[in-house]
Amino acid sequence: NAGVMQNPRHLVRRRGQEARLRCSPMKGHSHVYWYRQLPEEGLKFMVYLQKENIIDESGMPKERFSAEFPKEGPSILRIQQVVRGDSAAYFCASSLDLGGRGNEQFFGPGTRLTVL
Amino acid sequence: AQSVAQPEDQVNVAEGNPLTVKCTYSVSGNPYLFWYVQYPNRGLQFLLKYITGDNLVKGSYGFEAEFNKSQTSFHLKKPSALVSDSALYFCAVRDPNDYKLSFGAGTTVTVRA
Repeated sequence: NAGVMQNPRHLVRRRGQEARLRCSPMKGHSHVYWYRQLPEEGLKFMVYLQKENIIDESGMPKERFSAEFPKEGPSILRIQQVVRGDSAAYFCASSLDLGGRGNEQFFGPGTRLTVL
Repeated sequence: AQSVAQPEDQVNVAEGNPLTVKCTYSVSGNPYLFWYVQYPNRGLQFLLKYITGDNLVKGSYGFEAEFNKSQTSFHLKKPSALVSDSALYFCAVRDPNDYKLSFGAGTTVTVRA
């Protein structure tokens, strides 16, 4: 059973370009979460999605950032007009559901975004 | 609001010695607590979790953690550390009524041979 897949693993963009980060959850998982890890910091929640629905985007910056989880295909985190401050590791996690108690979130390897 | 504190940025131990990584938390109600480990340029790997029941939780790679409600702590322990345990360790908490994990800033563990 493959784990959470993220690609690309490393992404370099120049200021003003767009960054697209992809996440395929574990098989059977329908809940996806995105977290951002800034240098020397822990992970911070960004957004929680289920298929075709954004459930909670309270951790997303108000501008330039968007996320989707379509019916078919991976979840996408999109950053428009990137700035140097967007340089970070972006982790995707998935879980089976919220019905069971304490379902852990399984994390992907992350995408390390560098903005030049 | 929920939060986690890992008071030590770094922990250094000799191989074969006991390893403890400290974590305290703040959450309303009964917490769900987790430990993750991150190796260089890798994602987070789940180590163990506390949901309910026995306060001593056993996890992967010989790690265990003890939930202490009165001290609001969830320290990670290993009786005999290995050089391969050198990594970045994160404690995380989740309110049972929420889905967001709140992470501590992480503790870098270095085990010297």
